[in-house]
Amino acid sequence: EVQLLQSGAEVKKPGESLTISCQVSGYTFSNFWISWVRRMPGKGLEWMGRIDPSDSYTSYSSSFQGHVTFLIDKSINTAFLHLNSLEASDTAIYYCARQNKVAPINYLYMDVWGNGTTVTVSS
Amino acid sequence: DILMTQSPLSLAVTPGESASISCRSSRSLLHSNGHYYLDWYLQKPGQSPQLLIYLGSNRASGVPDRFSGSGSGTDFTLTISRVEADDVGIYYCMQGLHTPPEYTFGQGTELEIK
Repeated sequence: EVQLLQSGAEVKKPGESLTISCQVSGYTFSNFWISWVRRMPGKGLEWMGRIDPSDSYTSYSSSFQGHVTFLIDKSINTAFLHLNSLEASDTAIYYCARQNKVAPINYLYMDVWGNGTTVTVSS
Repeated sequence: DILMTQSPLSLAVTPGESASISCRSSRSLLHSNGHYYLDWYLQKPGQSPQLLIYLGSNRASGVPDRFSGSGSGTDFTLTISRVEADDVGIYYCMQGLHTPPEYTFGQGTELEIK
């Protein structure tokens, strides 16, 4: 069974940094991109960007560029989302999602999602 | 930037009836390969989002055939026939054509049961 297991809830203070993990199982980690999606309280979903686990190539949404970093550790089949200089507006649930591909057109869609990590930033 | 607009933003449906959700994009989602780069996702209360439809009209694995996607150009529809209590949640459309680096979600449509 394909699973993406995310790290637990976090409470942070403004200005601190945070790393969320997303450990995958049930498939070959390097074969599928990982996307990150945010949902702020009372708001909709926002795509943050994605990373290719095979070579750590990244693509960031313009809304998040410079504030987040995606990382990979292939030895433990885990993707990471690093957020720096946290603000109250970073309070949200963060999801990782596997991007599956439709051959031969190489269309990517998010077919399996992590369980979500709740982040609260408060002084 | 491309804009995705869903309507209605909320709807209440009697079990057994049908529901339709509209998604309009500010630019055509037709790729040169002939496919529409539009997905539908459902986020049930307290759960992670789940894929319902990809490429405009293809049901994801395990999705009941009560769910169907249609549309062309800039206008797309998710239809749920014979609505069940388990269908409650927020439905999102998402475009995947105008990248990198953006995938863009609609605002979401909340479905509740009467």
